[in-house]
Amino acid sequence: AQSVSQHNHHVILSEAASLELGCNYSYGGTVNLFWYVQYPGQHLQLLLKYFSGDPLVKGIKGFEAEFIKSKFSFNLRKPSVQWSDTAEYFCAVNELNTGGFKTIFGAGTRLFVKA
Amino acid sequence: NAGVTQTPKFRVLKTGQSMTLLCAQDMNHEYMYWYRQDPGMGLRLIHYSVGEGTTAKGEVPDGYNVSRLKKQNFLLGLESAAPSQTSVYFCASATQGASGGPYEQYFGPGTRLTVT
Repeated sequence: AQSVSQHNHHVILSEAASLELGCNYSYGGTVNLFWYVQYPGQHLQLLLKYFSGDPLVKGIKGFEAEFIKSKFSFNLRKPSVQWSDTAEYFCAVNELNTGGFKTIFGAGTRLFVKA
Repeated sequence: NAGVTQTPKFRVLKTGQSMTLLCAQDMNHEYMYWYRQDPGMGLRLIHYSVGEGTTAKGEVPDGYNVSRLKKQNFLLGLESAAPSQTSVYFCASATQGASGGPYEQYFGPGTRLTVT
């Protein structure tokens, strides 16, 4: 079974700081990769996704992520964070097994942005 | 177009009681999922379904059962609730992509369950 590792459980930044959240996965086959965001009290929403093509993916609200196949990584970045980016961020990977495709989530990274 | 809805939003159970959580989606999605979210543990997959009449086990299936009799509905059952099942439960659905795998998931608002 594969795993998805998010290296930082809690991150605290000041507004305008740059953000990079790490995500590594262990699945060796073809991967589909996602970043989701959960704002306080809300359900998860998609930030961006990678299926194929350009490994640098741009998502909503100025977020981007880079798929590096050799490193099994899909790190999330934003050049300048805002207070409204305070949320929990989840990396996820599609895995194919006998029951069909399923999606495995990382444990999440809580980001707090100080105004 | 309501997206993904979950019923109920909140529930308190006593140990040993049973209940069913209902998830409904109106997007004609093939894939449906049930997750539980606990502090510090992210989302853990309980069961999922790749189409009407099919179900499969996820990471933490013990103590739960599911059914997908209709494409738009995915039911999660707790036969004998335990305090360890206190959690927030999220349902999600996804359409099937060209490769056969799911595209991004659309999540419901969650059900907060407390078992005393």
